Amino acid sequence: QKEVEQNSGPLSVPEGAIASLNCTYSDRGSQSFFWYRQYSGKSPELIMSIYSNGDKEDGRFTAQLNKASQYVSLLIRDSQPSDSATYLCAPRGETGANNLFFGTGTRLTVIP
Amino acid sequence: DAGVTQSPTHLIKTRGQHVTLRCSPISGHKSVSWYQQVLGQGPQFIFQYYEKEERGRGNFPDRFSARQFPNYSSELNVNALLLGDSALYLCASSWTGEDGYTFGSGTRLTVV
Repeated sequence: QKEVEQNSGPLSVPEGAIASLNCTYSDRGSQSFFWYRQYSGKSPELIMSIYSNGDKEDGRFTAQLNKASQYVSLLIRDSQPSDSATYLCAPRGETGANNLFFGTGTRLTVIP
Repeated sequence: DAGVTQSPTHLIKTRGQHVTLRCSPISGHKSVSWYQQVLGQGPQFIFQYYEKEERGRGNFPDRFSARQFPNYSSELNVNALLLGDSALYLCASSWTGEDGYTFGSGTRLTVV
């Protein structure tokens, strides 16, 4: 059973602060990792992908991956109220099982 | 370009009935996946298809079935509906199934 663990939150940060979202996963064969943002009542939206150990930056978002620790994180710098949403961590299964496995998500609230 | 389109957007069915949900992927995408999302949970994998062949199946009963057509569109069928099947059903497409998925807006199914 592939498992993805995320703090359900809610995580509250003030506007302009850094929001840190964490995720651990059980499938050591996972090679690709994705972060999705889901606004209430909407479908998930892909915001970051990461495939190699280390950091990957895209605008205000930085994804960090440590395969040895089976840990992936998402940092949001200069958080804005529009960032308030649920963030879903999704490792992709090992080759041959390409589906994404989702955690329950972390609900982030950015306070103006 | 049109995104992933799903129909219908909302559906109310009675226990024991059958339902068919439809999905059209982004043009050029050959992989379609189906997910079920109940309130407060992350999406749960149901099926993945690539080039009209089933690539993966999640832990769902045989009442759930799917298929992919030559134009890469897909249908998800659920027989003998139960109250517990009430959820948001999400379709996602990708180029190969090994990259990030783009989700449609979903079909909200309510079983009464």
